[in-house]
Amino acid sequence: AMQLTQSPSSLSASVGDRITITCRASHYINNDLAWFQQKPGKAPRLLIYGASILEGGVSTRFSGTGSGTDFTLTISSLQTEDFATYFCLQDYSGYSFGQGTKLEI
Amino acid sequence: QVHLQESGPGVVEASQTLSLICTVSGDSIRTGSHNWSWLRQSAGAGLEWLGRVQVNGMTETDGDGDTDYNPSFYNRLTISLDMSNNRFSLSLRSVTAADTAVYFCAKTRVPSPPGRSFETWGQGTLVTVSS
Repeated sequence: AMQLTQSPSSLSASVGDRITITCRASHYINNDLAWFQQKPGKAPRLLIYGASILEGGVSTRFSGTGSGTDFTLTISSLQTEDFATYFCLQDYSGYSFGQGTKLEI
Repeated sequence: QVHLQESGPGVVEASQTLSLICTVSGDSIRTGSHNWSWLRQSAGAGLEWLGRVQVNGMTETDGDGDTDYNPSFYNRLTISLDMSNNRFSLSLRSVTAADTAVYFCAKTRVPSPPGRSFETWGQGTLVTVSS
C-alpha cells in the first residue's frame, strides 16, 4: 500500500521564519500530491495541489515543490495565522495521507 | 461559497450503526460535477478515506448514484444521496472502539486535476463509540 511519510511531526518557529515540511511517498506518485492546512475545529483547507500549484485565494507565502517520491511545502515568512497542522495527500493510487506536522509558535 | 456541514449523534454504542449526514449549501449534488466523500481522522489511524458517491446520468431518485468504497470498510459501509435535501449520508455498521474518530465530508471536482482531491471539507464531527 502507498504510504506517505511526513516530517517533522512537530516544528517550533517564530513569526517571520521560513520553514519547510517534507512528504516522502513509498512509491512513485508523479506530482499527484496536495498540501492542506488544518486548524482545531475547522475544515481542512487545500493550499497546494499538483505538488506546486497554489489553490486560489491562498497566500503566495506558501509554495510546494517535488515530483516522483519527494515533496516539500515551504512557508516563506510565517504569520500568526499560519500556526496550524499541515498534512499531505496523494491521489495517484487510491488516497494516502501524511501523519501531519504541527507548527507551533 | 460552498459549505459542507456534518451532523449526527456524538456517541454510538458498540455493535450498532453509525449514521451521519453531510448537508451541502452553495452547490447542488445533482449536477454530477463533483463527487462527495466521507473521511475520518483518529489518533490511531490518522486520516482515512472511507468512500464516495456521485450522481450519474441515470440518477433520479434518492439513494442512487455511483459509489466507491475503501476496501477496508466495504462490507459495512453505505454512502447514499438525498437529492431532495441536497445532502448525502454515511452508514457504518457494527462499529467498535476503533471507529471512534472525527468524521469529515468533502467534495472533489470531476474530473479533478492531479492532487486536487477533497478541495472543500466540512469542519468535522466527533463520534465516540461507547462500550
